[in-house]
Amino acid sequence: DQQVKQNSPSLSVQEGRISILNCDYTNSMFDYFLWYKKYPAEGPTFLISISSIKDKNEDGRFTVFLNKSAKHLSLHIVPSQPGDSAVYFCAASYSGGSNYKLTFGKGTLLTVNP
Amino acid sequence: DVKVTQSSRYLVKRTGEKVFLECVQDMDHENMFWYRQDPGLGLRLIYFSYDVKMKEKGDIPEGYSVSREKKERFSLILESASTNQTSMYLCASSLPPGQGLANNIQYFGAGTRLSVL
Repeated sequence: DQQVKQNSPSLSVQEGRISILNCDYTNSMFDYFLWYKKYPAEGPTFLISISSIKDKNEDGRFTVFLNKSAKHLSLHIVPSQPGDSAVYFCAASYSGGSNYKLTFGKGTLLTVNP
Repeated sequence: DVKVTQSSRYLVKRTGEKVFLECVQDMDHENMFWYRQDPGLGLRLIYFSYDVKMKEKGDIPEGYSVSREKKERFSLILESASTNQTSMYLCASSLPPGQGLANNIQYFGAGTRLSVL
């Protein structure tokens, strides 16, 4: 059973506009959420994260929003740039566990068109 | 900066060969992980280790084993490679469990693209 879902396999956006990537989760025990960015033939790189005690975290052009009641989080990229074109993975963890495994979604391919 | 180094970027092996994928991290992290990434399936956890000589199965351990003899090194072993193990393999490391966002971040290597013919 998929505990972290990214329902959009791909998203295409014009340069300068907002990109919104969505993620849903089912396990209410998750208390940390992370976004990773992955270019082809490279490993994922950490982008931004949020803990469940917050509903928003911002870092430059990237903002993550968390709606705990809906078990939904989203990543906003404003303004989008062609270099943002990559696969974005949402991940979640439960800090009460002993080993801090991350549960990943299947990813969304973002294409930013010039 | 955290550095996770995987020994090979690309590897081609024959069916039935024993394959070793090596990973080294330089941040003294307790936790290390092996994932595989396949199109449409995302990242799937194969094995992880939370200390030297300690290991736990992930979601898809069948056909794989691991070794962690030293804290900085975590090896993934394919005992008898098969074509369905053709994939991108990713190693990651992280701090030990603890409160705070930093303890939840995993740092990834560049990946090894393995083709089994």
